[in-house]
Amino acid sequence: SYVLTQPPSVSVAPGKTARITCGGNNIGSKSVHWYQQRPGQAPVLVVYYNTDRPSGIPERFSGSNSGNTATLTISRVEAGDEADFYCQLWDSSSDHPVFGGGTTLTVL
Amino acid sequence: QVQLVQSGAEVKKPGASVKVSCKASGYSFTSYGLNWVRQAPGQGLEWMGRISGYNGNTNFAQKFQGRVTMTIDTSTSIAYMELRSLRFDDTAVYYCTRRGLPPFFDIWGQGTTVTVSS
Repeated sequence: SYVLTQPPSVSVAPGKTARITCGGNNIGSKSVHWYQQRPGQAPVLVVYYNTDRPSGIPERFSGSNSGNTATLTISRVEAGDEADFYCQLWDSSSDHPVFGGGTTLTVL
Repeated sequence: QVQLVQSGAEVKKPGASVKVSCKASGYSFTSYGLNWVRQAPGQGLEWMGRISGYNGNTNFAQKFQGRVTMTIDTSTSIAYMELRSLRFDDTAVYYCTRRGLPPFFDIWGQGTTVTVSS
């Protein structure tokens, strides 16, 4: 089955830009979605279809997808952005969703 | 507003069963599927399966085949997930989450903690 690979952790200073990657074979040909999960809370969709944002999600959150890597970019990072982030796509061969292992974003 | 509200925390012994409910409101229940995703302590998200809110058709992850049942009650807009033959490693937070035609999960329940302990 399809595998999504994320770095376990990313650290960034407040006000800087965080980039969280999600690797997969030819992932650029697929639609990737991203979730933010703050400690003790349920996941929240922050980017869908690679680049789109649900209403209420700040413009600081953006996505891109090309080649073998999809990327979630968070600009002007704030302390409140600390969370775990998961990428996800739908594997058409199995008709099942696949989640990446998650990345913990730490704001220094 | 659109929301999914799950039942409360459960503590079960190994070998027992647990049934978690997920009540939907604020949208047409039969127009969306409901998926169940679990998260063991300190671990990532694991998809368990899904059920159509329209006709109750199900599709499970192979890992849970034969041990999980998912049902719906369209009269009350409630979905249920029952997991049988519980093991210690079934200890997790169980989430229901909504998926429409697009292949992502836009609404999540608050989660139900299931603890398997002797």
